[in-house]
Amino acid sequence: ETGVTQTPRHLVMGMTNKKSLKCEQHLGHNAMYWYKQSAKKPLELMFVYNFKEQTENNSVPSRFSPECPNSSHLFLHLHTLQPEDSALYLCASSQDYVNREVGDDFGGNTIYFGEGSWLTVV
Amino acid sequence: GQQLNQSPQSMFIQEGEDVSMNCTSSSIFNTWLWYKQDPGEGPVLLIALYKAGELTSNGRLTAQFGITRKDSFLNISASIPSDVGIYFCAGQESTSYGKLTFGQGTILTVHP
Repeated sequence: ETGVTQTPRHLVMGMTNKKSLKCEQHLGHNAMYWYKQSAKKPLELMFVYNFKEQTENNSVPSRFSPECPNSSHLFLHLHTLQPEDSALYLCASSQDYVNREVGDDFGGNTIYFGEGSWLTVV
Repeated sequence: GQQLNQSPQSMFIQEGEDVSMNCTSSSIFNTWLWYKQDPGEGPVLLIALYKAGELTSNGRLTAQFGITRKDSFLNISASIPSDVGIYFCAGQESTSYGKLTFGQGTILTVHP
């Protein structure tokens, strides 16, 4: 139990479907993230929300639409996906999302992951 | 973008052996994190390093933040079957607003 809960764990959807992934964190963190993990690729950052405001959109197609109603919840709305979008989608959270300079021993920005949602687009 | 090279890509070892893996980057990081991912699960944080030269242990795991801030290693001593999984390093640049860059992962297989 990492304190970050994702639902559903598995989702199969057609290309014309609309579905959503949900993430909830119980760590009192202020930043939440969506990552995509495809086979044989490094983890790819998709979106970052800091204090409910989107601070990063890593050139993600508009068929992925994030929503962050509060600091504890994060959604990823899915619409007209493609088969190549099939992957493990990981939610994560951290205390905050702050720029720190080299040599700053403030403590870093450790990220904690949920268990992931396996998405298959057929 | 930032490149993180993690090696080796995979390891096949006997139970009881020690394991070592490392990551190098082309630029300076101010945080290094090591995660383990079991099949079908999300990455679980093993060790976090925040200072250059820092050496931190977590049970049989030991990790170090390189002095140059461009590398880190993870050692696992006396491996056991449950060590099987994928190990990822991740680094945060000083100017990346908290964005982590992940290595490609090291797949560890432990034979009983």
